Amino acid sequence: AQTVTQSQPEMSVQEAETVTLSCTYDTSESNYYLFWYKQPPSRQMILVIRQEAYKQQNATENRFSVNFQKAAKSFSLKISDSQLGDTAMYFCAFTGVSGGYQKVTFGTGTKLQVIP
Amino acid sequence: KAGVTQTPRYLIKTRGQQVTLSCSPISGHRSVSWYQQTPGQGLQFLFEYFSETQRNKGNFPGRFSGRQFSNSRSEMNVSTLELGDSALYLCASREGPGSPYEQYFGPGTRLTVT
Repeated sequence: AQTVTQSQPEMSVQEAETVTLSCTYDTSESNYYLFWYKQPPSRQMILVIRQEAYKQQNATENRFSVNFQKAAKSFSLKISDSQLGDTAMYFCAFTGVSGGYQKVTFGTGTKLQVIP
Repeated sequence: KAGVTQTPRYLIKTRGQQVTLSCSPISGHRSVSWYQQTPGQGLQFLFEYFSETQRNKGNFPGRFSGRQFSNSRSEMNVSTLELGDSALYLCASREGPGSPYEQYFGPGTRLTVT
């Protein structure tokens, strides 16, 4: 079974600064996908970024980038130039792709507060 | 494209009652998953449906059940409600078991059991 661990329950960052959220996972699969989802207060959960395990290049989406270390099973999210709208719960998630109907496993989340 | 919709958005029920929640996926998405979100347990996977068949199931008692219709819309049912069932129930859709694998979430149904 896969597990996803987010060791930082809460974090804060000053507006315009950079923050990194940590995520580690455990799996025996060789091919899989990793995701970061964002859930703003009382709002819908949305996909921030995804990384395919077979790709060595780290994914980037505007101010959001990941540091994917496959050997270490680490998948951290870096938010640059933090904005007030980045205040949210952030969930790291994993899904295997070895065939069949692989369920998505989520971490417990990191609550990020951006301070003006 | 319209996003994932869930109805109702808020619900208050009494212990012992049953409840049915509805989810309409994004057009073209054939897979629907359900999650229970609570402050203490985080996001817990309930089940996933694809082509009207349950494909995956989480560790929840049999009081939690679901189904999917031919138009991919899904319902989940909770019978004999308990106080601990109070939670935000999220529905997520994706195209299917193949790539792409990301899920798209609905706004959730906030269930309060009194």
